[in-house]
Amino acid sequence: RKEVEQDPGPFNVPEGATVAFNCTYSNSASQSFFWYRQDCRKEPKLLMSVYSSGNEDGRFTAQLNRASQYISLLIRDSKLSDSATYLCAVKDAGTYKYIFGTGTRLKVLA
Amino acid sequence: DAGVIQSPRHEVTEMGQEVTLRCKPISGHDYLFWYRQTMMRGLELLIYFNNNVPIDDSGMPEDRFSAKMPNASFSTLKIQPSEPRDSAVYFCASSPVQETQYFGPGTRLLVL
Repeated sequence: RKEVEQDPGPFNVPEGATVAFNCTYSNSASQSFFWYRQDCRKEPKLLMSVYSSGNEDGRFTAQLNRASQYISLLIRDSKLSDSATYLCAVKDAGTYKYIFGTGTRLKVLA
Repeated sequence: DAGVIQSPRHEVTEMGQEVTLRCKPISGHDYLFWYRQTMMRGLELLIYFNNNVPIDDSGMPEDRFSAKMPNASFSTLKIQPSEPRDSAVYFCASSPVQETQYFGPGTRLLVL
């Protein structure tokens, strides 16, 4: 089993739709969680960190479920510009070793 | 701020040749990471440094790969000899003590 798993997609959704991605992790000692966005042929960029209490940034909401060992990303009112690959990343306490998922590809259609 | 700088941006070489990738982290960042990204395996951490010292190189695939950080503003990742299966995008990232990583634009390596 991979340490961090994501559905590769693609998720094809119409503009204005709400879409959610999950990311499961296998190490229960994982301490920090992140969502990155990667555009085609570009570098990953941090979208948001994921806190235990959940957090929201505009149309984006991230949540952590420690019991089931997954994090989620919800995008409301999808825009064409949201089309990208979304990578989750997990880091254990006391280390700076980040484990990334292979990414979920999102296509927002006009 | 210039961000993380990587060179070259593209590299095409023949099997058996030595390849050197370069990275200049963001000034003041204590951590530097080297990643490799392929379609099949995604983004994999190869090695990371803290204050120029290698901390974890467990992701380095084999002895053909080596990385150095001679000072706070420069790091190299070397592949010798290169093989076709090394073809990938290699990213360098840096981070302050806080946990946000900033990635460079990557080097696209093709080994023929």
